[in-house]
Amino acid sequence: NAGVTQTPKFQVLKTGQSMTLQCAQDMNHEYMSWYRQDPGMGLRLIHYSVGAGITDQGEVPNGYNVSRSTTEDFPLRLLSAAPSQTSVYFCASRTGPALANSPLHFGNGTRLTVT
Amino acid sequence: AQSVAQPEDQVNVAEGNPLTVKCTYSVSGNPYLFWYVQYPNRGLQFLLKYITGDNLVKGSYGFEAEFNKSQTSFHLKKPSALVSDSALYFCAVRDGQAGTALIFGKGTTLSVSS
Repeated sequence: NAGVTQTPKFQVLKTGQSMTLQCAQDMNHEYMSWYRQDPGMGLRLIHYSVGAGITDQGEVPNGYNVSRSTTEDFPLRLLSAAPSQTSVYFCASRTGPALANSPLHFGNGTRLTVT
Repeated sequence: AQSVAQPEDQVNVAEGNPLTVKCTYSVSGNPYLFWYVQYPNRGLQFLLKYITGDNLVKGSYGFEAEFNKSQTSFHLKKPSALVSDSALYFCAVRDGQAGTALIFGKGTTLSVSS
């Protein structure tokens, strides 16, 4: 049982480059989300999805795109990386409908550096 | 809008002593409250949650939390701290009626000395 799998674990980009952070879960969870973690800022929500074909913006969506074509996958795209996007990115999922009270399951994170 | 405050960046306790990590929240509807723990270079792990019912909630690794509606608080507690409890702790809140997104506090580093 893999849970939430994030790839890659580490990535270095140059300003202006694009990339996709991958997230996959094998628990058949409807809800998936992306957070970024920065020192002193805690976790901030970037985008989330309550099911395949449905996505919505969180607290800090600018500079990021998402799509949800399947229940299992929720990739995060950086179209033109900026140094301000240097961070640790976490994908998380939970079971149940949109308003369910189930806890989030987190991946181990992707550490991204933009130079 | 939902928000969470963790007023202490760091909490230091001696092994065997009780510990408290503080959390206050703001939400329009009924709160769903959570505590998570993060060890170095890992994702967050769920500790416990309050949805409704008994104000004292018990969770993993001997942790518990007390929900106080009048003070809008949800403090994490443990009667006897272990060195292995040293980690980063996050409080989080959702609006149970209207909010799908979980909002996190900035985190509190717990350091337990031997």
